[in-house]
Amino acid sequence: DAKTTQPTSMDCAEGRAANLPCNHSTISGNEYVYWYRQIHSQGPQYIIHGLKNNETNEMASLIITEDRKSSTLILPHATLRDTAVYYCIVRVTNYGQNFVFGPGTRLSVLP
Amino acid sequence: DTEVTQTPKHLVMGMTNKKSLKCEQHMGHRAMYWYKQKAKKPPELMFVYSYEKLSINESVPSRFSPECPNSSLLNLHLHALQPEDSALYLCASSRTGRVNTEAFFGQGTRLTVV
Repeated sequence: DAKTTQPTSMDCAEGRAANLPCNHSTISGNEYVYWYRQIHSQGPQYIIHGLKNNETNEMASLIITEDRKSSTLILPHATLRDTAVYYCIVRVTNYGQNFVFGPGTRLSVLP
Repeated sequence: DTEVTQTPKHLVMGMTNKKSLKCEQHMGHRAMYWYKQKAKKPPELMFVYSYEKLSINESVPSRFSPECPNSSLLNLHLHALQPEDSALYLCASSRTGRVNTEAFFGQGTRLTVV
């Protein structure tokens, strides 16, 4: 799997946009970028994924740079319930069967 | 419906016990996964099943034995575990094993080995 690098922790004020960066400079052409989050003691929750185009759903937006070496997850209006560990994952192409988690970013949304 | 159901939610077992964890999904997914998560660490992949066949075993000790009796059900049989095996065990499923299909996770079984 391509290695990902994320900041260990970030803070965000409630109601503001949370922008979570991820570097994946060794990503290959057909590898997808996935984002998951895990709220304390719960199972990871799928947020969004993309290949090269920007993606948006009801939870978040995913911005992938043109060279695909980095991406940003955007939570447009963060709430206290968005406090969680956010994982950026690059999924391999050959078998595509495994999601390998790195350490992630601990996001704290502050009142 | 994106629900993956894991039972039990909590399990305490002795080192000589045999127990099983169960995972169920009714989304028609054909890839299922077991992960292990220690406190304050990310989930670690243990096993992957694709179309009811074991496709990935991440060098997991034989005291953990997975089983996929049908496309909706995944079991993890536990035998002669050690206290260091205490962890949150997570199950996940995805529509297929292909790279562009997202996986959905259950809430996990918190296992304590005494």
